[in-house]
Amino acid sequence: AIQMTQSPSSLSASVGDRVTITCRASQDIRYDLSWYQQKPGKAPRLLIYAASITQGGVPSRFSGSGSGTDFFLTISSLQPEDFASYYCLQDSNYPWTFGQGTIVEI
Amino acid sequence: QVQLIQSGAEVKKPGASVKVSCKVSGYTLTELSMHWVRQAPGKGLEWVGGFDPEDGEAIYAQKFQGRVTMTEDTSADTAYMEMSSLRSDDTAVYFCATGWNAFDIWGQGTIITVSS
Repeated sequence: AIQMTQSPSSLSASVGDRVTITCRASQDIRYDLSWYQQKPGKAPRLLIYAASITQGGVPSRFSGSGSGTDFFLTISSLQPEDFASYYCLQDSNYPWTFGQGTIVEI
Repeated sequence: QVQLIQSGAEVKKPGASVKVSCKVSGYTLTELSMHWVRQAPGKGLEWVGGFDPEDGEAIYAQKFQGRVTMTEDTSADTAYMEMSSLRSDDTAVYFCATGWNAFDIWGQGTIITVSS
C-alpha cells in the first residue's frame, strides 16, 4: 500500500500567516491527490483535487501544488475560519490512503 | 443538489455486526462510486473501501478484508456497509463519500460504538 506521510502533524499560526502543509507519497502517484479540511464534529470538505485544482466555492487563498511524490497545500493568508484539521488523500492506487492529518491551531 | 443521508447511531457489543446505510438524494447511485471512510475518536481519517468504477467491484483495505461487505440497492439509491466481528477499536464515525472530483460529497457520518 502507498504510504502518505503528512507534515507537520500540527502547527500554530496567526491570522494572516502563510501556511504550507506537505504530503509525501511512498511512490509516484502522478497528480492523484486531494486535500480536505475538517472541523470538529463535521464531515471533511474537499478543498483541492488532482493535486492543484481548487474545488468550486473554496476561497482562492487555498492552493495545491506538486506531482509524483511531493505535494503541498498552501493557505496564503490564514483566516479565523481556517483553524481546522487538514488531510491529504491519494486515489492513484488501491487501497486509497490518507495522510495522518495536520491540525492548524492558534 | 446531491446529498448523502446516513442511518443513525448504533451501539453494538463486541462480536456483533452492524450495517450502515447511505441514501443518495438528488442523483442516481448508479452514476456514482461509493466509498466508506472511518474516523476513530481523536484520530485521523481511514479509508475502509469503495467501489471501483472500472468494474463495479468492491475493494477493501486489507485490514478490513473478511469483515466488511459493501453493497448497493440501486432501486433505492442506497449503499450499505456491513461490518462483522466488531471490536472495541471499531468504535468510530463512519462516513460514506463519493463525487466526481475525489470525495466532494460526504454523508453526515454514523457513530458506531462497540462496548460490552
